[in-house]
Amino acid sequence: GENVEQHPSTLSVQEGDSAVIKCTYSDSASNYFPWYKQELGKGPQLIIDIRSNVGEKKDQRIAVTLNKTAKHFSLHITETQPEDSAVYFCAASTTSGTYKYIFGTGTRLKVLA
Amino acid sequence: ETGVTQSPTHLIKTRGQQVTLRCSSQSGHNTVSWYQQALGQGPQFIFQYYREEENGRGNFPPRFSGLQFPNYSSELNVNALELDDSALYLCASSLSGVFNEQYFGPGTRLTVT
Repeated sequence: GENVEQHPSTLSVQEGDSAVIKCTYSDSASNYFPWYKQELGKGPQLIIDIRSNVGEKKDQRIAVTLNKTAKHFSLHITETQPEDSAVYFCAASTTSGTYKYIFGTGTRLKVLA
Repeated sequence: ETGVTQSPTHLIKTRGQQVTLRCSSQSGHNTVSWYQQALGQGPQFIFQYYREEENGRGNFPPRFSGLQFPNYSSELNVNALELDDSALYLCASSLSGVFNEQYFGPGTRLTVT
């Protein structure tokens, strides 16, 4: 069935260092991959996304890369700050008539000051 | 500010009862998706509504049902509540289409005792 695996489940970095979160999806027909940041007690917030016809996208300190052949995509956060601490979810959008998202299990990122 | 609102914020129900959760979509969005997020997990797709019709359903039993109204707001109804239904219920609004971003509301925290 449709599945998205996400690693690591927890990640601690020193302030100013980079953080990388990796996801693998199973549905080869997936062609849209958003990333969400969820803070405690809040709903997920879209932070960046990438479409299947693009290999990399960058927005200030955040970048996402996509390897469709390997069905891998990754989130890169550079110059991490304490306010980056949150749970991050990757997702893959299926195209079977319903534009639903299959989410990964989340990565809890802690940025240590 | 995403513009998606949900009510109520929290509620507590007893096993066997019924519950209705509400969602107002972001202005201009015609599609609403509902997700269930258990503690420590990624959101799981329940169903999606487009133009007042169900447009896809995840692996949830028929006691989970929904509605979408002409103003694109939506309701999620759950009958015969079970303890495992305790979760954060998230509503996401979007424009129909595979590349259209879904914006999440803050969620409703349901506790079933």
